[in-house]
Amino acid sequence: KAGVTQTPRYLIKTRGQQVTLSCSPISGHRSVSWYQQTPGQGLQFLFEYFSETQRNKGNFPGRFSGRQFSNSRSEMNVSTLELGDSALYLCASSLEGGEKLFFGSGTQLSVL
Amino acid sequence: SQQGEEDPQALSIQEGENATMNCSYKTSINNLQWYRQNSGRGLVHLILIRSNEREKHSGRLRVTLDTSKKSSSLLITASRAADTASYFCATDANDYKLSFGAGTTVTVRA
Repeated sequence: KAGVTQTPRYLIKTRGQQVTLSCSPISGHRSVSWYQQTPGQGLQFLFEYFSETQRNKGNFPGRFSGRQFSNSRSEMNVSTLELGDSALYLCASSLEGGEKLFFGSGTQLSVL
Repeated sequence: SQQGEEDPQALSIQEGENATMNCSYKTSINNLQWYRQNSGRGLVHLILIRSNEREKHSGRLRVTLDTSKKSSSLLITASRAADTASYFCATDANDYKLSFGAGTTVTVRA
């Protein structure tokens, strides 16, 4: 069974640009969550989707958005990038959400 | 903001020794989970303990949960070099998100 796949693995952008990150969950998993990890703030919850519906959202500005498609694949978008958005962005999937998350390897975003 | 705090922040032990780390949290939970992360990669789920459970074992791992003190501990017995990693506790308050602690970095010396 294939694991959670995140693309791209690394990304370098400049301030003001926008970026889209992709996540393919484990087959059969309908819940996809996104987390931001930085040395200073640790792991911060961004949002969770289940069957194309956002069920919870973390305390991030509106520049951070996401969506989930009918095949459970998910994307997150960050517009007008700031230096502070540099982080490891982790996607995780689970059957129903809330229990035993399976994480992808993450997308390392650097904003210059 | 993070739900939990972990103690210690870092731990260095000799191969074969036991490693214990603690996690405290602030609000009522549905379950508490422990994850391992190697060198900035994705996290790997280790063990889940529900709010009505007090202790759980999985291989060399032992987790305890004290809901009255809002705390949990993770014990890794007979540590190996491969156990070198960061360990995170995460709480589920039945709201479709996990709140992670700051993590404990464990180094196992050969």
